[in-house]
Amino acid sequence: SQQGEEDPQALSIQEGENATMNCSYKTSINNLQWYRQNSGRGLVHLILIRSNEREKHSGRLRVTLDTSKKSSSLLITASRAADTASYFCATINQAGTALIFGKGTTLSVSS
Amino acid sequence: GAVVSQHPSWVICKSGTSVKIECRSLDFQATTMFWYRQFPKQSLMLMATSNEGSKATYEQGVEKDKFLINHASLTLSTLTVTSAHPEDSSFYICSARDPALGQYFGAGTRLSVL
Repeated sequence: SQQGEEDPQALSIQEGENATMNCSYKTSINNLQWYRQNSGRGLVHLILIRSNEREKHSGRLRVTLDTSKKSSSLLITASRAADTASYFCATINQAGTALIFGKGTTLSVSS
Repeated sequence: GAVVSQHPSWVICKSGTSVKIECRSLDFQATTMFWYRQFPKQSLMLMATSNEGSKATYEQGVEKDKFLINHASLTLSTLTVTSAHPEDSSFYICSARDPALGQYFGAGTRLSVL
């Protein structure tokens, strides 16, 4: 089962522009994580935000969390062609054991 | 960070044969490992959770007799796709949990069934 939805499903931008992806989830959470996946490759962990945090930064990444709306956003600033990938949010399943992933946003950054 | 090794990275097999995929935690002991499946342009779907020394817990809709999971040691879990068919062609990703550090992912195995 999947925890939530990301939007947009696909996003195409030019290098230097910012990219914003949104994620909504269904159940209460302790934290929410964002991952990146290059085409046909494994997952790269980007950032974790805890339920008591509203915003977190890591380099060009900015993540926000609104637990009242059960939503999170990932902002990539000054995007580069190398940012082209699929981005997934993930939360822990109801059993509290495994990460469950959203549907993902496919980002294409053209130079 | 913790390292999870998955092997093979790519396998092609004939329909009706079985394929085994290995997942190893290289620098930590993982009492719990997970197997995910990802179809093209889709997200990762959790297939099963395996605990060392006990039977795996399968997600709804996943056939336990078709996807055999063995977690015989704290560093190794295997997924065997039995009697594989073309519809089983997918990207399979394992993950291992370090209680202190979190959940780490292998690089995935691309299975193509002819």
